[in-house]
Amino acid sequence: DIQMTQSPSTLSASVGDRVTITCRASESIKTWLAWYQQKPGKAPQVLIYKASSLESGVPSRFSGSGSGTEFTLTISSLQPDDFATYYCQQYKRYPCFGGGTKVVIK
Amino acid sequence: EVQLVESGGGLVQPGRSLRLSCAASGFTFDDYAMHWVRQAPGKGLEWVSGISWNSDNMDYADSVKGRFTISRDNAKNSLSLQMNSLRPEDTAFYYCAKDTGRGWNYFDCWGQGTLVTVSS
Repeated sequence: DIQMTQSPSTLSASVGDRVTITCRASESIKTWLAWYQQKPGKAPQVLIYKASSLESGVPSRFSGSGSGTEFTLTISSLQPDDFATYYCQQYKRYPCFGGGTKVVIK
Repeated sequence: EVQLVESGGGLVQPGRSLRLSCAASGFTFDDYAMHWVRQAPGKGLEWVSGISWNSDNMDYADSVKGRFTISRDNAKNSLSLQMNSLRPEDTAFYYCAKDTGRGWNYFDCWGQGTLVTVSS
């Protein structure tokens, strides 16, 4: 089974900060990776698919990069609406999520 | 507008069964695979099961294999999850999620979730 490991599990940041979250796969998943944002009490929403493609309607401050086993989600300038939990998900085989990264106010 | 509405959650005793349903609208249901994803309170996301567009392929997480059965009715635009031999660790919000293709891809639409609580 492919395992997904996210780091950090919690990230403290301020509005305007550049934020980077890392996701590692236990084996190569090429670019079969998506990123989701989840706010409390809400369902997740996709931000990025195929490692670096921005989902329609998602602000351009979100970007994704990587291939193989190492991936990053970057928020170029953190906004108040971005304080949330972020998950990566591989879909090379049956879907599997990372453990999540909670972005909190510093 | 794409909509997924789950139902069927509730409080159930360990060892009993429960059936979840998901009503889909706003898209051509039989063009897409569908999935169930769960989230224990305060925890992360766990993929539970997926079913291909024509029901030819079904997959399950190891944690539910042999106990849960996924199915779909394309004529009724509905997805179901039959959960048997429930355990306390199955307690979670269960989300219905739409795949972006006919097999296993990422999910572009989620329902609001239905809470399943397994407790005596």
